Amino acid sequence: GESVGLHLPTLSVQEGDNSIINCAYSNSASDYFIWYKQESGKGPQFIIDIRSNMDKRQGQRVTVLLNKTVKHLSLQIAATQPGDSAVYFCAENPWRGGSNYKLTFGKGTLLTVNP
Amino acid sequence: GAGVSQSPSNKVTEKGKDVELRCDPISGHTALYWYRQSLGQGLEFLIYFQGNSAPDKSGLPSDRFSAERTGGSVSTLTIQRTQQEDSAVYLCASSPTVFQPQHFGDGTRLSIL
Repeated sequence: GESVGLHLPTLSVQEGDNSIINCAYSNSASDYFIWYKQESGKGPQFIIDIRSNMDKRQGQRVTVLLNKTVKHLSLQIAATQPGDSAVYFCAENPWRGGSNYKLTFGKGTLLTVNP
Repeated sequence: GAGVSQSPSNKVTEKGKDVELRCDPISGHTALYWYRQSLGQGLEFLIYFQGNSAPDKSGLPSDRFSAERTGGSVSTLTIQRTQQEDSAVYLCASSPTVFQPQHFGDGTRLSIL
């Protein structure tokens, strides 16, 4: 069935280090992926997205990598800062097909940045 | 510009009461979505609007849940005869069209006593 999951529920890093958050998906029809950041008491905040015709996409301090062969998605955060502490969700969307509006979210990874 | 606005931010009510949750999407966004987030869980899709129409209501947990959208803008999610298992954060999102990233509000935290 369709599912998006995370390898690690928690990740603790030192300020200034790079962080890598992983996500596995099982729906081979998924062709659009989004990373969201959610701080306590707030709604998910869009970070970066990637389409299945790409392997890598870079934003400001963030990079998303997509490996369609093993159905794996990762979010890399460079020079992690205390303000990056939050829960990070990956979400997938079958861009083609009848449910192309519906995002399926993983459980989330809690990133804690230690000063 | 203004983001997605939801009200109230918190709602505490007694079991059996009806509640209405409101969502004001980003101006010009034709697509609107409701999700539910339970403690420690991911986001669960509830319903999707394209304009004022809801092509997919399959995520609504029971017939006690309903939603409407008027004027292609404001949406209301109504829960009748609330139960304790309805306690959750209800999140609304909108996007310019269905093919673009969804932007979320901060949610309504609903607690059923």
